[in-house]
Amino acid sequence: EDQVTQSPEALRLQEGESSSLNCSYTVSGLRGLFWYRQDPGKGPEFLFTLYSAGEEKEKERLKATLTKKESFLHITAPKPEDSATYLCAVQGRLDAGGTSYGKLTFGQGTILTVHP
Amino acid sequence: EAQVTQNPRYLITVTGKKLTVTCSQNMNHEYMSWYRQDPGLGLRQIYYSMNVEVTDKGDVPEGYKVSRKEKRNFPLILESPSPNQTSLYFCASSFLPQGEQYFGPGTRLTVT
Repeated sequence: EDQVTQSPEALRLQEGESSSLNCSYTVSGLRGLFWYRQDPGKGPEFLFTLYSAGEEKEKERLKATLTKKESFLHITAPKPEDSATYLCAVQGRLDAGGTSYGKLTFGQGTILTVHP
Repeated sequence: EAQVTQNPRYLITVTGKKLTVTCSQNMNHEYMSWYRQDPGLGLRQIYYSMNVEVTDKGDVPEGYKVSRKEKRNFPLILESPSPNQTSLYFCASSFLPQGEQYFGPGTRLTVT
């Protein structure tokens, strides 16, 4: 069974104070690891997909990295508008039945608050 | 505008009264999925569909049904809702299962 654990559960930063969010995972052959951002009362919004260990992707102040066991979302010089819940999800190549690869497993998320 | 729409956005119902939450996407996506989001439990996948007439169970399918008769629509059916199905529901779609998923605005369901 695929599992995703995110830490910390909540993170409070001062504007400009860089930090990282962690996503640890176990999966039966990684097909993709995803990062999403969710604002209160809204649906998640896609940020990145990582496919293999060593891969990195960047978008504005965000950088996602991937190893064989975990992914990090690095936030450089955050601003108050970066405040949101950040979700990590994995998709394995095969489910328990060994047939389907459409299943997606999310972590519980990290609530990020950036104070001005 | 590319989007995923869900209806209704808010619903209060009673135990046992059948209901359907609709989901529609205008991006010609192959893959669609339903999730529920509960405090402390995160987003959990209920069902997904790889294409028309192709559906499969996610992590929490009990008490739910889905159908995919048209590519753009993927309704979620609760034939006999119970209070433990009170939750925030999201529909999502993407071109491929491993691709960027577009999420709908959510449906907040309360079952009394």
